[in-house]
Amino acid sequence: AQKITQTQPGMFVQEKEAVTLDCTYDTSDPSYGLFWYKQPSSGEMIFLIYQGSYDQQNATEGRYSLNFQKARKSANLVISASQLGDSAMYFCAMREDLIQGAQKLVFGQGTRLTINP
Amino acid sequence: EAGVAQSPRYKIIEKRQSVAFWCNPISGHATLYWYQQILGQGPKLLIQFQNNGVVDDSQLPKDRFSAERLKGVDSTLKIQPAKLEDSAVYLCASSLEGPDTQYFGPGTRLTVL
Repeated sequence: AQKITQTQPGMFVQEKEAVTLDCTYDTSDPSYGLFWYKQPSSGEMIFLIYQGSYDQQNATEGRYSLNFQKARKSANLVISASQLGDSAMYFCAMREDLIQGAQKLVFGQGTRLTINP
Repeated sequence: EAGVAQSPRYKIIEKRQSVAFWCNPISGHATLYWYQQILGQGPKLLIQFQNNGVVDDSQLPKDRFSAERLKGVDSTLKIQPAKLEDSAVYLCASSLEGPDTQYFGPGTRLTVL
């Protein structure tokens, strides 16, 4: 079974600083996908960024980038120039293959990020 | 483009009562998911539909939970009877096809007293 580990329950960062949220994964599948989602206090899970296991370059989406180190099985999220609105829970997730060609997401425990003014 | 819609946003019931949640996915999305998120944890998949067929319901407590997606569009998740441990946020998500990015709705926060 696949597993996602987020070791930082909480992070506190000053506004405008960069922040790295850690995520390690465990899988024996050669093909997999890694996702990061943001969950503000309103409860909705907001998709941020995706990295495929065969992608040659690290994914980037605006202020978000994914530091993908395949040999170390880590997929850390980097947020540059943090803003007060970045305060939320952040979840790392891995796509797990099911039967019949279907797939599902397996989530980590999450990291609560607080941006201080 | 409209996102995933869910209702109600909040529900408070007493144990042993019944409750139902509704989800309307993004237009054109064939795959629909129901997740349960207990406070302090990541979401856990309960059931996955591909169009109107169930792809995976291995983690659905079938003695009390049921779900349907009769016309391959919107879906209903029911709990009957509810237990205290069912208190959680129930998230609905959809994707164009199975392996594509999943987009989530705002969730329904259920409190069982």
